[in-house]
Amino acid sequence: DAGVIQSPRHEVTEMGQEVTLRCKPISGHNSLFWYRQTMMRGLELLIYFNNNVPIDDSGMPEDRFSAKMPNASFSTLKIQPSEPRDSAVYFCASSFGAEEQYFGPGTRLTVT
Amino acid sequence: GESVGLHLPTLSVQEGDNSIINCAYSNSASDYFIWYKQESGKGPQFIIDIRSNMDKRQGQRVTVLLNKTVKHLSLQIAATQPGDSAVYFCAGTSGTYKYIFGTGTRLKVLA
Repeated sequence: DAGVIQSPRHEVTEMGQEVTLRCKPISGHNSLFWYRQTMMRGLELLIYFNNNVPIDDSGMPEDRFSAKMPNASFSTLKIQPSEPRDSAVYFCASSFGAEEQYFGPGTRLTVT
Repeated sequence: GESVGLHLPTLSVQEGDNSIINCAYSNSASDYFIWYKQESGKGPQFIIDIRSNMDKRQGQRVTVLLNKTVKHLSLQIAATQPGDSAVYFCAGTSGTYKYIFGTGTRLKVLA
């Protein structure tokens, strides 16, 4: 089992550019989560999908953030336009139902 | 690796000693708890979990204690090894997908 796969691992971009983060959950898992981790705020849940449907996006900071899950094996988190305050580590996690969440290695985003 | 937090509380222990990491939670409705370990450059990894109908659960070299009266969790690591150096988070939920994560404790193992 390859675990949760995220790409890219590191992203450096300039303010105003579009950023797309990608996630492949563990096969068979029906829940997918996007988190953001910063020094100041720790781990924050951005959005939760169940069976490919967004259930809770109350953690998405603002309209510049959007997430999609077109099928059970792929999800994207997009930031457009990006800002320096978006710099953080973004984690994707998956689970089966309410069982423990398995995290990917994260994408370290730096917006200059 | 990814930066977790430069201002996390830090616990330094001698290799071979036991470690105890503490976590307080505020939601009395929380009924399921997990301890995660996050090494530099990696995502959080599941260590052990406990449900609210239990006071104690043991794994391999790890034990989680739950005190619901004072809303406190602890993670005990026996015979701490250099590979245990990481940031440890507790997380709790009241039966839904929404986990509340603690801020974390950095464990440093001294040779």
